[in-house]
Amino acid sequence: DADVTQTPRNRITKTGKRIMLECSQTKGHDRMYWYRQDPGLGLRLIYYSFDVKDINKGEISDGYSVSRQAQAKFSLSLESAIPNQTALYFCATSDRAGGPETQYFGPGTRLLVL
Amino acid sequence: AQSVTQLDSHVSVSEGTPVLLRCNYSSSYSPSLFWYVQHPNKGLQLLLKYTSAATLVKGINGFEAEFKKSETSFHLTKPSAHMSDAAEYFCVVSDRDTGGFKTIFGAGTRLFVKA
Repeated sequence: DADVTQTPRNRITKTGKRIMLECSQTKGHDRMYWYRQDPGLGLRLIYYSFDVKDINKGEISDGYSVSRQAQAKFSLSLESAIPNQTALYFCATSDRAGGPETQYFGPGTRLLVL
Repeated sequence: AQSVTQLDSHVSVSEGTPVLLRCNYSSSYSPSLFWYVQHPNKGLQLLLKYTSAATLVKGINGFEAEFKKSETSFHLTKPSAHMSDAAEYFCVVSDRDTGGFKTIFGAGTRLFVKA
């Protein structure tokens, strides 16, 4: 079984709809991240969480919100989806507080906003 | 402030020939550097990382990278390309920032391998 899972894998929605992307991990890591990937731009950080009570904005948090329901679960919400949020979204985890560390990525959620 | 530049958006090689994917970075401190690979419809997977130990880093699948501080480069190489190496590759820099560490991804280099 995969260590980092994301649901759904693909989603089509309409402008103005609220949607939630979910991420679960079995690695026991404290740190979790949400990124979006756009062609030619690499990955950009949306939000990150270093533990259940810690939520931090990343580079491009506007239009998004997150919830860390448990150590293993980190959800990303688009309160009112817009077409330029069409992208590939990745959840990632890492451990070893205090330093740079390897991140482990989920398979991604492909989102299309019409 | 840190940044990372992957010098080629696409690289095409023939199977069995060497691979070179170029990455330059800028950093205020002593960065950690990573290369990740992304195969189609998959998440990113770590190839190798440099964290201030040996400057020549060996990774999985025969890849290696050399940290050159004087050139601010961390190029990824492989002596002989295989068809299964066709994927997108990301260079990543992680360095100290206000309140902790900041991680920046390059824009990616897509590697094509011709039979």
